[in-house]
Amino acid sequence: QSVLTQPPSVSGAPGQRVTISCTGSSSNIGAGYDVHWYQQLPGTAPKLLIYGNSNRPSGVPDRFSGSKSGTSASLAITGLQAEDEADYYCQSYDSSLSDPYVFGTGTKVTVL
Amino acid sequence: QVQLQQSGPGLVKPSQTLSLTCAISGDSVSSNSAAWNWIRQSPSRGLEWLGRTYYRSKWYNDYAVSVKSRITINPDTSKNQFSLQLNSVTPEDTAVYYCARDPGGPRYSIPFDYWGQGTLVTVSS
Repeated sequence: QSVLTQPPSVSGAPGQRVTISCTGSSSNIGAGYDVHWYQQLPGTAPKLLIYGNSNRPSGVPDRFSGSKSGTSASLAITGLQAEDEADYYCQSYDSSLSDPYVFGTGTKVTVL
Repeated sequence: QVQLQQSGPGLVKPSQTLSLTCAISGDSVSSNSAAWNWIRQSPSRGLEWLGRTYYRSKWYNDYAVSVKSRITINPDTSKNQFSLQLNSVTPEDTAVYYCARDPGGPRYSIPFDYWGQGTLVTVSS
């Protein structure tokens, strides 16, 4: 079961800005561990979108940005486009007795 | 460019062994920096990391607590690939299974930067 909590869905009109939260605890995000974000288009594998809290891999548009504060992290999409409609997942490291690599519950972004 | 190509059966009977293979191109399973992971995704459990294998002068494995007694991940250096075996499967093991690379570095800062295409494995008689 996922230990990082995300809202099930967010939506926005084309061109708008949406944000997705990822809430953890003192054994993962709150301990200072990095957060990474993935985009999963329908029927495909997750794709790394943001790594190390706020870094974009080559080829990822600068419309996507990440941040972290306390026990939470956020992914922002500015200038929302139809092709951004997908599921988004956060991921971090957990130092408790559970597994070391943990994922968020996932957020469906709908472009209205 | 790293590419991961998965292969293996999509249907496994209960109590039997799930076996999948991930062929690597553009990198080496014996890399001294990267590690090679298996991750699964199901509606009930979401994305779940299962384990990894990596080489740092010798081979190492890390496994998730939930499957530790049933899982084996092995490298195959002759074919530049790695495999997943999950024993004694039940319908709860039904999921899309992905292989993925992590680029290495500190354990607390590892993303999964390349993924296989995914294999839907159904456990049913």
